[in-house]
Amino acid sequence: EAGVAQSPRYKIIEKRQSVAFWCNPISGHATLYWYQQILGQGPKLLIQFQNNGVVDDSQLPKDRFSAERLKGVDSTLKIQPAKLEDSAVYLCASSSREGSPGEQYFGPGTRLTVT
Amino acid sequence: RKEVEQDPGPFNVPEGATVAFNCTYSNSASQSFFWYRQDCRKEPKLLMSVYSSGNEDGRFTAQLNRASQYISLLIRDSKLSDSATYLCVVNRNGGFKTIFGAGTRLFVKA
Repeated sequence: EAGVAQSPRYKIIEKRQSVAFWCNPISGHATLYWYQQILGQGPKLLIQFQNNGVVDDSQLPKDRFSAERLKGVDSTLKIQPAKLEDSAVYLCASSSREGSPGEQYFGPGTRLTVT
Repeated sequence: RKEVEQDPGPFNVPEGATVAFNCTYSNSASQSFFWYRQDCRKEPKLLMSVYSSGNEDGRFTAQLNRASQYISLLIRDSKLSDSATYLCVVNRNGGFKTIFGAGTRLFVKA
């Protein structure tokens, strides 16, 4: 079974530029999560989708971050404009409807550096 | 105060030692609990779920204390390969809220 795919793996941009990340969850997984993990901290949930609907985006900085899940499968997360404090690893995870929602499978992440 | 708190460590232990981590949570409505493992510069991976009666998986034992609102992870006979960050995860609101702790770093030395 293929795992969660993410691209790109690394991205370096200057502040005020825009950037987009892509995620393809495990086939059949209804729930998709985007997390931000700053060095030395645990992952912080940015947004959670159930199929193509948003379940929780309470910690998404909506003035600069946006996300969508096309047709309930893959998803993109965008930052526009980026700030220095956005430097982090952006992790995508998915979970199945049948499994426990806490049993999540993570992709390898995108390491973003904002200079 | 953070909703899920862990001792950041690091815990430095010799091979073969037994080590235990605790994690406290503040929301009594929390429903399910997990331990994840994260290797350096890698993604988190589910280590084990934590059941009310406690559960064991090989050298790993997880326990839940709802009255005191904490979960624990015990690792027996530590291996070099156990060196990682251990993340405590709490889930509530019927699965629609997942909170990760900041993690506890473990170094196992030869």
